[in-house]
Amino acid sequence: KQEVTQIPAALSVPEGENLVLNCSFTDSAIYNLQWFRQDPGKGLTSLLLIQSSQREQTSGRLNASLDKSSGRSTLYIAASQPGDSATYLCAVPQLTDSWGKLQFGAGTQVVVTP
Amino acid sequence: NAGVTQTPKFRVLKTGQSMTLLCAQDMNHEYMYWYRQDPGMGLRLIHYSVGEGTTAKGEVPDGYNVSRLKKQNFLLGLESAAPSQTSVYFCASTQGAHEQYFGPGTRLTVT
Repeated sequence: KQEVTQIPAALSVPEGENLVLNCSFTDSAIYNLQWFRQDPGKGLTSLLLIQSSQREQTSGRLNASLDKSSGRSTLYIAASQPGDSATYLCAVPQLTDSWGKLQFGAGTQVVVTP
Repeated sequence: NAGVTQTPKFRVLKTGQSMTLLCAQDMNHEYMYWYRQDPGMGLRLIHYSVGEGTTAKGEVPDGYNVSRLKKQNFLLGLESAAPSQTSVYFCASTQGAHEQYFGPGTRLTVT
């Protein structure tokens, strides 16, 4: 069974610093990997989807890298702002069981201090 | 284009009562999912559907039923609510193994 791990569980940085969030997965036979943001009491907002054939995906200040062979993805957020404070989740589709069902990591809780 | 919407946003039930949560998507997606999110447990799949008229069990299906009579709607039913079903429920949809879109959630409390 695919297992997804996110380290660290929590992160606090001063405004302006770059954020580096890590995601690792045990089964490298993934179709894609998705990064989400969740604000307290809210739903999940999709940030980036990176296909298995891609090494990187960028959207504004966000950049996600994918290394399938080592089972890792990294989300970089440049020049962090207080509005970036949220929990960030990575997820991969579990293809062998419930088709398309996402296997989530536990998330990294980010606080950006002014 | 509203994406994925969920009704209601909040609900309080007494033990033994029943209710239905509605999920609707306007993206013509084939696949729809119901997850629940609990502190320390993360997101867990309850039921899912790979097309109109089809449903299947996920990780934690006990106590829930679902129906997908129309492609755009996926209903989650609780026949006899229990305090263990207190949770935040999320619906999601996707077209194949592509980007999944989530609804805003329904916060359910069972007393």
